[in-house]
Amino acid sequence: DTAVSQTPKYLVTQMGNDKSIKCEQNLGHDTMYWYKQDSKKFLKIMFSYNNKELIINETVPNRFSPKSPDKAHLNLHINSLELGDSAVYFCASSQDMGVEAFFGQGTRLTVV
Amino acid sequence: GEDVEQSLFLSVREGDSSVINCTYTDSSSTYLYWYKQEPGAGLQLLTYIFSNMDMKQDQRLTVLLNKKDKHLSLRIADTQTGDSAIYFCAERGMNTGNQFYFGTGTSLTVIP
Repeated sequence: DTAVSQTPKYLVTQMGNDKSIKCEQNLGHDTMYWYKQDSKKFLKIMFSYNNKELIINETVPNRFSPKSPDKAHLNLHINSLELGDSAVYFCASSQDMGVEAFFGQGTRLTVV
Repeated sequence: GEDVEQSLFLSVREGDSSVINCTYTDSSSTYLYWYKQEPGAGLQLLTYIFSNMDMKQDQRLTVLLNKKDKHLSLRIADTQTGDSAIYFCAERGMNTGNQFYFGTGTSLTVIP
């Protein structure tokens, strides 16, 4: 059973489109995250969310928004996609006071 | 966000030891981590150390923490070709809202 799963694994889309990436965790964790990994492999946190609060990295454009329909899901919506949004996006989850973050396999987004 | 720095590349010969270094800035770090990312995959936790420890050994892996200098290292003994990957240092602490902040990643290449 996959602990943290993301769909799709690959996404190719045109500039200006709106797209979503889905993330689900079956670990019963209460905190979920979105990270962006750029072409240089740098990994930057975008959001963390639990049932108490959403923490947004101040560098994330407001075209990006997380949506959590329930505790096991944190989807990433991106409006008006730009070329610079091309990257690999990773979802992760952890217990609020737990030790480890578990990562999904990533979604490679290519904006053309 | 917090700064977590690593050197970008390291090459070693098979059978030698590898040492990957990391510096961080958050003095409130509770846990410090080493994650491994193989090509096309997500991040897997290798090991972690609690901030009140100086050293942790786990089979071929040795983690050293110098809290005064905010320096973390990962030593891999008897490095194998399967160890070739990107290694990320990460920290988590109260000053970061318990988020996980990752270093720039060190790409380890093991030469047969």
